[in-house]
Amino acid sequence: AQKVTQAQTEISVVEKEDVTLDCVYETRDTTYYLFWYKQPPSGELVFLIRRNSFDEQNEISGRYSWNFQKSTSSFNFTITASQVVDSAVYFCALSESTIRSDNDMRLTNDMRFGAGTRLTVKP
Amino acid sequence: DTGVSQNPRHKITKRGQNVTFRCDPISEHNRLYWYRQTLGQGPEFLTYFQNEAQLEKSRLLSDRFSAERPKGSFSTLEIQRTEQGDSAMYLCASSPPFPRGDTQYFGPGTRLTVL
Repeated sequence: AQKVTQAQTEISVVEKEDVTLDCVYETRDTTYYLFWYKQPPSGELVFLIRRNSFDEQNEISGRYSWNFQKSTSSFNFTITASQVVDSAVYFCALSESTIRSDNDMRLTNDMRFGAGTRLTVKP
Repeated sequence: DTGVSQNPRHKITKRGQNVTFRCDPISEHNRLYWYRQTLGQGPEFLTYFQNEAQLEKSRLLSDRFSAERPKGSFSTLEIQRTEQGDSAMYLCASSPPFPRGDTQYFGPGTRLTVL
């Protein structure tokens, strides 16, 4: 069964500090997808990134960067020079994929979320 | 592209009453999902539609819950004989058809409070 662990329940930093949110996952599949979502106080989940299991290249998007390491089953998220607007709950999620006999890859739709990390950035 | 919309945004009901929520996905997204999120937890998958067909249903979804997507566009989630334990945020998400990607885009949610 797939499982996502976000060990950090809450993190508090001062503006302009860098912060890393940890995500560790478990899956038996060799093909899967990992996601990060942001949930600001307004409540709506905002998609940040999707990464498939074959692509271990780290990604940088502005102040955001992601470090995917299959060897440790981790998909960590770093915010550089944090800002007050970054304050939110951040969720890591995993979705497994099933390859059918005709090699037509199908994505399982049962996305599993971690419990989330509440990030507070103080001015 | 106006995003996923959900109505109502808030619903307060008494135990034992029936409630119905609506989700309008992003246009041309043929896949639609329902999740439930309780305070301090991540969303939990409830059910999934591809077009009008309900293809997956979680064990979390008791017989009091029913979801429909009759024309493959909007979807409704009905809870019959509500219980206090049903109080949660109900989230809807949609994603485009293969192979355009499988990222799920979420609506603002419907917050249900059962008194």
